[in-house]
Amino acid sequence: DIQMTQSPSSLSASVGDRVTITCRASQSIGTYLNWYQQKPGKAPNLLIYAASSLQTGVPSRFSGSGSGTDFTLTISSLQTEDFATYYCQQSYSSPPYSFGQGTKLEIK
Amino acid sequence: EVQLVESGGVLVQPGGSLRLSCAASGFTFSSYGMNWVRQAPGKGLECVSYISGSGRVRYYADSVKDRFTISRDNAKNSLFLQMNSLRAEDTAVYYCARDSPMVRGDVPRWFDPWGQGTLVTVSS
Repeated sequence: DIQMTQSPSSLSASVGDRVTITCRASQSIGTYLNWYQQKPGKAPNLLIYAASSLQTGVPSRFSGSGSGTDFTLTISSLQTEDFATYYCQQSYSSPPYSFGQGTKLEIK
Repeated sequence: EVQLVESGGVLVQPGGSLRLSCAASGFTFSSYGMNWVRQAPGKGLECVSYISGSGRVRYYADSVKDRFTISRDNAKNSLFLQMNSLRAEDTAVYYCARDSPMVRGDVPRWFDPWGQGTLVTVSS
């Protein structure tokens, strides 16, 4: 099984900050990596697919990069509505696809 | 508008059974694989099961294999999860999520959209 590890598990930041979240796979997964945002009491929402492709309707301040085992999600200038939990997910293996444990982004 | 609406979540005793449903609208349901993903209270996301558009291909997480069965009715645009021998650790919000469009070859896949979720509580 492919294990996904996110860091940090939690992060405090201020509006306007540039934030980077990291996801590491236990084996090479090419660019088979997605990022989701989840707000309390809501379903996850797709932000980035295939490592770096921005989902339609997602603000351009979100970006993804990486390949192989190391990936990053970057928010260029944090907005109030970005405070949420972020999950990475690999789709390299056969389903069901594994998620990272999540990164909770909180207001400093 | 593409929409997924789950139902069927309730309080059930350990060892009991439950059937979750997911009603789909706004897209050609039979053309998409579908997934069930769960989230235990205060915890992260866990993919539980996948079914192909035709229903012929099915996958399960080890944690639910031989207890849960995924199925679909393409004529009624509906996805199901039959859950048997329920345990306390199955307590979670269960989401249905549409797989990315089917294309030839081995390509990245993703889940979009997701339903709002339905809560399953397993407790005596």
